Amino acid sequence: GENVEQHPSTLSVQEGDSAVIKCTYSDSASNYFPWYKQELGKGPQLIIDIRSNVGEKKDQRIAVTLNKTAKHFSLHITETQPEDSAVYFCAATLYGNNRLAFGKGNQVVVIP
Amino acid sequence: DGGITQSPKYLFRKEGQNVTLSCEQNLNHDAMYWYRQDPGQGLRLIYYSQIVNDFQKGDIAEGYSVSREKKESFPLTVTSAQKNPTAFYLCASRSGGSYNEQFFGPGTRLTVL
Repeated sequence: GENVEQHPSTLSVQEGDSAVIKCTYSDSASNYFPWYKQELGKGPQLIIDIRSNVGEKKDQRIAVTLNKTAKHFSLHITETQPEDSAVYFCAATLYGNNRLAFGKGNQVVVIP
Repeated sequence: DGGITQSPKYLFRKEGQNVTLSCEQNLNHDAMYWYRQDPGQGLRLIYYSQIVNDFQKGDIAEGYSVSREKKESFPLTVTSAQKNPTAFYLCASRSGGSYNEQFFGPGTRLTVL
């Protein structure tokens, strides 16, 4: 089955700096890669996603890049703000569209 | 206001009791999912349903049961057979077909005393 790993597990950045979280996946058939942001005590919120037919997608201060050959994808947050502090989960499709395999999450702390 | 609702937000039960967690969506989504979240464990799939009256086991289905009698509802029962039921439970839904996006509810924190 699909195995998704995230690195680093915890990331601290100064406000205004950039943060990058990397995920690797094992199933070459995976074709959809979402990123979720989870604040304490709340459900995960989909913030950006990318499909296997593109290499990069950007939405304001966040972007996702995908390297299918190396089987990794990354979340980039620029000009970080304190409200970016949260746990971020990556995921990849499993068994077609029906399921997602999730990484264990990254705690991002933005220091004012 | 469209979305996914889970109730209650906090739930306490005594050991040995069955408890049912509610999940309702008004997004007209075909597929629904139940995940369990423990600290440092990420999200683990319990059960999922792609259409009404059909559901499949996920990775950690033992001690849980579900039903899907209506498109908008996917209740999860945590039975007394679940050895470590205290966790944060998340429900999600997906439109179906070629649409991959899963959207999550706010979660229910279950504590078994």
